Amino acid sequence: AIRMTQSPSSLSASTGDRVTITCRASQGISSYLAWYQQKPGKAPKLLIYAASTLQSGVPSRFSGSGSGTDFTLTISCLQSEDFATYYCQQYYSYSWTFGQGTKVEIK
Amino acid sequence: EVQLVESGGVVVQPGGSLRLSCAASGFTFDDYTMHWVRQAPGKGLEWVSLISWDGGSTYYADSVKGRFTISRDNSKNSLYLQMNSLRTEDTALYYCAKDRGRGYGYFDYWGQGTLVTVSS
Repeated sequence: AIRMTQSPSSLSASTGDRVTITCRASQGISSYLAWYQQKPGKAPKLLIYAASTLQSGVPSRFSGSGSGTDFTLTISCLQSEDFATYYCQQYYSYSWTFGQGTKVEIK
Repeated sequence: EVQLVESGGVVVQPGGSLRLSCAASGFTFDDYTMHWVRQAPGKGLEWVSLISWDGGSTYYADSVKGRFTISRDNSKNSLYLQMNSLRTEDTALYYCAKDRGRGYGYFDYWGQGTLVTVSS
C-alpha cells in the first residue's frame, strides 16, 4: 500500500496566519490526492480533491498544490473555525490510504 | 440534502460478530460507490472497504480481508458491513462515506459514525 506522510504532525498558529501542511506519498500518485478537515467529535469534511480543486462551498482561503509525490495544503489567512485536524488521502491505487493527520492549534 | 446515518455499533467480545448499517438519503444511491472508513479512538482515518454502485465489485483493507463483508441493498438505499471474528484492534468509530461517483476513490459526504467497541 502507498504510505502517506504528513508534516508537521501538529502546529500552533494565530488567527490571520498563513499555514502550510505537507503530504508526501511513498510513490507517485499523479494528482489523485484529497484533503479533509476534521473537527473534534465531527466527521471529516472534504476540502480539496485532485490535489488542487476546491470542493463546492469551501472557502477560497484553502488551496492545494502538488503532483507526483509531494503535496501541500495552504490556508492563506487562518480563521478561528479552521482550528482542526487535516488529513491527506491518496486515491491513486487500492487500498486508499490517509496521512496520519496534522493538528492545527491556537497559539 | 445528502444524509448518511450509521447504526449497529455496540460493545462486543473478541471473536464476536456485528452488522453495521448505513441509511442513505438525498441522492440517487445506486449511482454511487460507497465506502466504510474507520477511526480508532484518538487515532487517524483508515479506509476499510468499498462496494461498487451495483454491488458487483468489493474491495477490502488487508486488516479486515476475510473477516468483514460489505454489501448494499439499493432498493432500501442502505449499505452494510458484516464484521466477523472481531479483534480488539477493530475498536473504532465506523463511518459510512459516499464516493464522488462510481469509483473516484475519495469521499464527498460522511455520516456521523457508529462506535464499535471490542472488549472482554
